[in-house]
Amino acid sequence: AQKVTQAQTEISVVEKEDVTLDCVYETRDTTYYLFWYKQPPSGELVFLIRRNSFDEQNEISGRYSWNFQKSTSSFNFTITASQVVDSAVYFCALSESQTGANNLFFGTGTRLTVIP
Amino acid sequence: GAGVSQSPSNKVTEKGKDVELRCDPISGHTALYWYRQSLGQGLEFLIYFQGNSAPDKSGLPSDRFSAERTGGSVSTLTIQRTQQEDSAVYLCASSLAPHDSYNEQFFGPGTRLTVL
Repeated sequence: AQKVTQAQTEISVVEKEDVTLDCVYETRDTTYYLFWYKQPPSGELVFLIRRNSFDEQNEISGRYSWNFQKSTSSFNFTITASQVVDSAVYFCALSESQTGANNLFFGTGTRLTVIP
Repeated sequence: GAGVSQSPSNKVTEKGKDVELRCDPISGHTALYWYRQSLGQGLEFLIYFQGNSAPDKSGLPSDRFSAERTGGSVSTLTIQRTQQEDSAVYLCASSLAPHDSYNEQFFGPGTRLTVL
């Protein structure tokens, strides 16, 4: 069965600090996709980054970077030089190719508070 | 272009009444998803549409829940004989190319349902 675990319920950092959000997943599929979404106080889920199971190359996109490691089933997300506007709930999500529906399985989210 | 829209934004109803929630996906998106976000259950998948058909209804919590999609566009989620445990935020999402899990889902602002 598929499962996404975000062990960090809440994190607080001071502005300009770097912060890493952890995500561990479980799946029996060999082809799957991982996503990070942000949910600001307005409530709308915003897509941030994605990765497929065949590409473990880690990248940086602006202040965002991610570390995908299949060996540990982890897909961690880092925000560098955090800003107050980064305050939100962040969700890690998994999509499996064999479900057909490609629906997302979400973790329980990590609430990030950036203190000015 | 316009994003995913949902109406109403808020709905308060009495236990036992029926409610209808509406979703307008992004134009051209053939895949449409309904999710529910509640305190106790987090973000959970309800149903998926490919065009007007719903090949995956596995997430619907009971037979009081149903959904339809017409013209490959607008979708309506109906909850009959609402119960207090149905109180949640109902999120709609749409995406391109549903058979490609790599495509991100774009979420609407949600409908907050409160059952008294």
